[in-house]
Amino acid sequence: EAGVAQSPRYKIIEKRQSVAFWCNPISGHATLYWYQQILGQGPKLLIQFQNNGVVDDSQLPKDRFSAERLKGVDSTLKIQPAKLEDSAVYLCASSLLSGNTIYFGEGSWLTVV
Amino acid sequence: KQEVTQIPAALSVPEGENLVLNCSFTDSAIYNLQWFRQDPGKGLTSLLLIQSSQREQTSGRLNASLDKSSGRSTLYIAASQPGDSATYLCAVIDSNYQLIWGAGTKLIIKP
Repeated sequence: EAGVAQSPRYKIIEKRQSVAFWCNPISGHATLYWYQQILGQGPKLLIQFQNNGVVDDSQLPKDRFSAERLKGVDSTLKIQPAKLEDSAVYLCASSLLSGNTIYFGEGSWLTVV
Repeated sequence: KQEVTQIPAALSVPEGENLVLNCSFTDSAIYNLQWFRQDPGKGLTSLLLIQSSQREQTSGRLNASLDKSSGRSTLYIAASQPGDSATYLCAVIDSNYQLIWGAGTKLIIKP
């Protein structure tokens, strides 16, 4: 069974530029999560989808971050414009349903300079 | 508000020792609890998931226990190996299916 796929793995951009991350969850998984993880800290939920509907985006900085999950499968996370403090790893995860075992992708590492 | 704490933040032990990692949470009304492992530069790998009705789960050399009344979970690693070196995180899933994370314990197994 293929795992959660993310791309790109690494990205370096200048502040005020934009960046987009892509995630393909495990086939059949209804729930998809985007997390931000800063070095030395636990993951912070940015947004959670159930199929193509948003369950929780309370911690998503909506002035600069956006995410979508068209057709309830793949998802993209966009940051525009980026700030220095956005430097982090962005983790995509999926689960069959909310509350089930969660599987993570390898992450997309963002450095904003 | 649910809070999850993992102590210690870092742990270094010689190879071959058995060890216990701790996770505590403030609200016992949880749906389940999941332990993860994170290697440097990698995503998180699920190790064990314990349902709120369960007391423990085992996978190979790993055993996770759950005591909801005291707000504690432990991850027991038997006969530790250098390959076990990683950061271990626990996450509580509450009744709204929201994950609340600990900050992790960085484990180093010395050969």
